[in-house]
Formats: sequence, C-alpha cells, structure tokens
Amino acid sequence: DVVMSQSPRSLSVTLGQPASISCRTSQGLVHRNGNTYLNWFHQRPGQSPRRLIFQVSHRDSGVPDRFSAGGSGTDFTLKISRVEADDIGVYYCMQGTHWPITFGQGTRLEIK
Amino acid sequence: EVQLVESGGGVVPPGRSLTLSCTSSGFVFADYAMSWVRQAPGKGLEWVGFVRSEVYGGTTEYAASVRGRFTVSRDDSKGVAYLQMNSLKADDTAVYFCTRDQDFWGQGTLVTVSS
Repeated sequence: DVVMSQSPRSLSVTLGQPASISCRTSQGLVHRNGNTYLNWFHQRPGQSPRRLIFQVSHRDSGVPDRFSAGGSGTDFTLKISRVEADDIGVYYCMQGTHWPITFGQGTRLEIK
Repeated sequence: EVQLVESGGGVVPPGRSLTLSCTSSGFVFADYAMSWVRQAPGKGLEWVGFVRSEVYGGTTEYAASVRGRFTVSRDDSKGVAYLQMNSLKADDTAVYFCTRDQDFWGQGTLVTVSS
C-alpha cells in the first residue's frame, strides 16, 4: 500500500499568515494514463470532508485562490497564502493512483 | 444541487450484519463511480470500498481490512449505492461516508459495533 506521510501533524497559525502542509508518499503517483491522482481535503469539526484540490494542483469549484498546491514524484504541498478563521480543521492528502486508495494521517490547523 | 444522503447506521452486536444506503440526487448517478470512506471516532479517514460505473463494468475494489466481509453495490435505476457489512467487528465502529468520486460527500452515518 502507498503510505502517505503528512507533516506537520499540527499547525498553529496567526490570522493572515501563510501555512504549508507537506505530503510525502512511499511511491510515485503517476498513473499509467499519465495523470497524478493526489487530492487534498479539508474537514471542519463535525463536518464531512470537502475536496479542495484534485490531481495535485487543480482547485475545486468554489475553493478560494488562497489555496494552492503542487508537487511531483513523492513530494506534494498544500499552501494557504493567508489563513482565515474558516480554515480551521484537519487537512488530508489522498492518493487515488494505486489500489487501495490511501489517506495521510491528517494535519490539524488551529488559529494562534 | 448534488446531494448524497447516507442511512442505515445504528448499533449492532459483533458478528452481525448491516447494510448502509447512499441516496443521490442532483446528478446522473449512473455516470459516476461511488466510494465509501469511514472515520473511527477521533481518527482519520480510511477508504473502505469503491464501485465503478457500469460503463466500466461496475466492478469493485476493497480495502484489505474489509475485503471478504463488506460488499459495495449500486442500483442506477434508483440512484443508490449500498455498503453491505457482514461479520462486523468492534474495529468497524465509525462514521461511514459515501462519496461521488471524492468530489462530493454525504454527511455520514454512524455505525457502532458493540454488545
């Protein structure tokens, strides 16, 4: 199975400051069709997860452009340019290239 | 508006069975693969199983932890996905989410396996 290692596991950020989350995978995520199925999700307390980013760097509809993501090979990153109060919760990376689908352990973001 | 509503959760003794349903609206259900993902209390997300659309054969994939015990299926005429869970264990206690190809998620239904 592909192991997804997120860091840091928790993040305390001042409003308006940037944040960055790393996701390292135990093997490359390029599918035989050439796509890289690396997604990022945000889960607020008591809510369902919401996908923010698909295929490494594509923002889902309605996701603010404060969120950006990138990476390649086995190293991927989610960045928030200016953290807002609504951004609290847990962020997960997920790979869908290899079966079984696997998630990172999650990174909890709180406001300092 | 895309909506997914899970139902069928509850408290069940170890070893028993339970079937969850995921009722869809707002999109052409037959066009999409559907997944089930679970979250044990206070823990992270764990992918459980997946059913492809009939265009891709309607075939399924499972996590090793549930393979042989859980079955994912779909009824395109009703727009419903199912998760049949047999031989339930305490470790299966979790909120179960259905998701349309990971882009839309339901609100989840809680399954508690306890005597």
